[in-house]
Amino acid sequence: KNEVEQSPQNLTAQEGEFITINCSYSVGISALHWLQQHPGGGIVSLFMLSSGKKKHGRLIATINIQEKHSSLHITASHPRDSAVYICAVAGNYQLIWGAGTKLIIKP
Amino acid sequence: DTEVTQTPKHLVMGMTNKKSLKCEQHMGHRAMYWYKQKAKKPPELMFVYSYEKLSINESVPSRFSPECPNSSLLNLHLHALQPEDSALYLCASSQEGEGYHQETQYFGPGTRLLVL
Repeated sequence: KNEVEQSPQNLTAQEGEFITINCSYSVGISALHWLQQHPGGGIVSLFMLSSGKKKHGRLIATINIQEKHSSLHITASHPRDSAVYICAVAGNYQLIWGAGTKLIIKP
Repeated sequence: DTEVTQTPKHLVMGMTNKKSLKCEQHMGHRAMYWYKQKAKKPPELMFVYSYEKLSINESVPSRFSPECPNSSLLNLHLHALQPEDSALYLCASSQEGEGYHQETQYFGPGTRLLVL
């Protein structure tokens, strides 16, 4: 079993829909990162959080430390949100990466 | 300036060639990283430099040789690569590097490498 599991692996939705991507982990962590990677390759760090909730524009990230679970939400999704979203957890001395969720938003 | 730049964007090389990848940041970050990413996989950490000293080498083959000439520049020298080394090579930087996994990393656009 992977230490970091993301679901779903792939998600296709219509423009305007509310999107949820989930990340579950099995190790003790000090922080959790959400990152976005567009087809061109560049990676952008969206959030780093260790408790509670963070919001930036239409993106919201939450984490439940007790349940070892985090979610990334996108409100009013837009085709430009199409990308791979990756969850990575800060374990003891390293980042452990999830496999990513490929999101496609259709106009 | 919150940008990490990488050159070249694309590189094709033969197995006997020697080439270098370059990375630059002007955010005053003291930690810089090299990652390798194969298609449809997450990035794999290769090297971490903190305060211009190599702090992490993730058992990378010696045909990859990193160099940090100063706190703004990071190079990756390539020699005698194999076709399986074809991948996207990403550079990143962060504030300190100590406990790098607890810092926000800023990534460059990557160099797409093809080894023939």
